[in-house]
Amino acid sequence: EVQLVQSGAEVKKPGESLKISCEGSGYSFTNHWIGWVRQMPGKGLEWMGIIYPGDSETRYSPSFQGQVTISVDKSISTAYLQWSSLKASDTAMFYCARLRGSSWYSQPDYWGQGTLVTVSS
Amino acid sequence: EIVLTQSPATLSLSPGERATLSCRASQSVGTYLDWFQQKPGQAPRLLIYDASNRVTGIPARFSGSASGTDFTLTISSLEPEDFAVYYCQQRGHWPPTFGGGTEVEIK
Repeated sequence: EVQLVQSGAEVKKPGESLKISCEGSGYSFTNHWIGWVRQMPGKGLEWMGIIYPGDSETRYSPSFQGQVTISVDKSISTAYLQWSSLKASDTAMFYCARLRGSSWYSQPDYWGQGTLVTVSS
Repeated sequence: EIVLTQSPATLSLSPGERATLSCRASQSVGTYLDWFQQKPGQAPRLLIYDASNRVTGIPARFSGSASGTDFTLTISSLEPEDFAVYYCQQRGHWPPTFGGGTEVEIK
């Protein structure tokens, strides 16, 4: 059974750093892109970027380029999303999602349960 | 960036009624268009991919169609569990983008 399990909720202060995770299981982790999607409170869904665990190729949405870093540790089948300096506007739910095929334009077929990040002074 | 415009923003219907949700792309995305359902407190769930292919396990009352840059999700007869927010998503161009969503609420 394919599963994506995300790390738990975080409460941080502005300026702090953060790294959240998404562990995949039940499939060949290195052969599927994994992406991150942001959902701000009461708002819609936004793609942040994707990474191919096989070779760590990464693509960022222009809105998020330079704002976050997506990485992967294929030895433990885990993808990461990190911030070096959080802002209050980073408060949101973050989902990871697996892309079905080996191409970046495959459909996202499995999703993690979400990680809520709250940034407040 | 491709803009997807979903309409209506809210659809108020009763169980058993037919729901028709629209998604218009600002330029051609081919058939690289998916539909998701999201319920409060849950992750999105893929219903339809490539405009008209139903995911395994999704009930047959859900169907998708396409005509150029116009896409439609139809729920033939609403069940109580279908009241949720629905998003379309294109992945024909980078970056992939979502529409703003349509909330199907109980009338």
